[in-house]
Amino acid sequence: AQSVTQLDSQVPVFEEAPVELRCNYSSSVSVYLFWYVQYPNQGLQLLLKYLSGSTLVKGINGFEAEFNKSQTSFHLRKPSVHISDTAEYFCAVSIYGGSQGNLIFGKGTKLSVKP
Amino acid sequence: DVKVTQSSRYLVKRTGEKVFLECVQDMDHENMFWYRQDPGLGLRLIYFSYDVKMKEKGDIPEGYSVSREKKERFSLILESASTNQTSMYLCASSLLGEAWLNGYTFGSGTRLTVV
Repeated sequence: AQSVTQLDSQVPVFEEAPVELRCNYSSSVSVYLFWYVQYPNQGLQLLLKYLSGSTLVKGINGFEAEFNKSQTSFHLRKPSVHISDTAEYFCAVSIYGGSQGNLIFGKGTKLSVKP
Repeated sequence: DVKVTQSSRYLVKRTGEKVFLECVQDMDHENMFWYRQDPGLGLRLIYFSYDVKMKEKGDIPEGYSVSREKKERFSLILESASTNQTSMYLCASSLLGEAWLNGYTFGSGTRLTVV
């Protein structure tokens, strides 16, 4: 069975500083990986996804993530954060064809950007 | 763009009431999902459906039921609301067997308070 671990439940950071939100997964088969963002009192929006190819994936709002198969990680990064990046971020994993392709979500990381 | 619409953003209900949460999607997706989101617990799957009149229990189905009479609509029912069902409820949808490719599309959420 697949699982996703987001290592930090909360990450405080100052505006314009870099940030890394960590995500590790476990799976015995090839996986597909996603990051979602949830702004306060809203639903989840897709930030970026890794399906295959280049291990560095660029998403919206200046975020990027790197797939590392040997480390089973998919960490999310941004070189310089803004106040508007304050949100909760969810990492998710899926496998091809499994259980109608259901996504397994991590518990989320709350990013708090301070002025 | 696919739209997933949840009929209410905020609801306040009394203990013991029967509560209906409605979700409609407009892109002919086969899969629909109901999650609840609580601080520190992430997203927990309540029920999902991959076809009209079909339903599968998720991780926490107790106290809930669902209805899918039409492809575009997936209703979550709290038979007798209790205070421990106070939560944010999120609906999501995806094409059958393609969640690995496109992930899910989420609604904006319904924040339910049971008093």
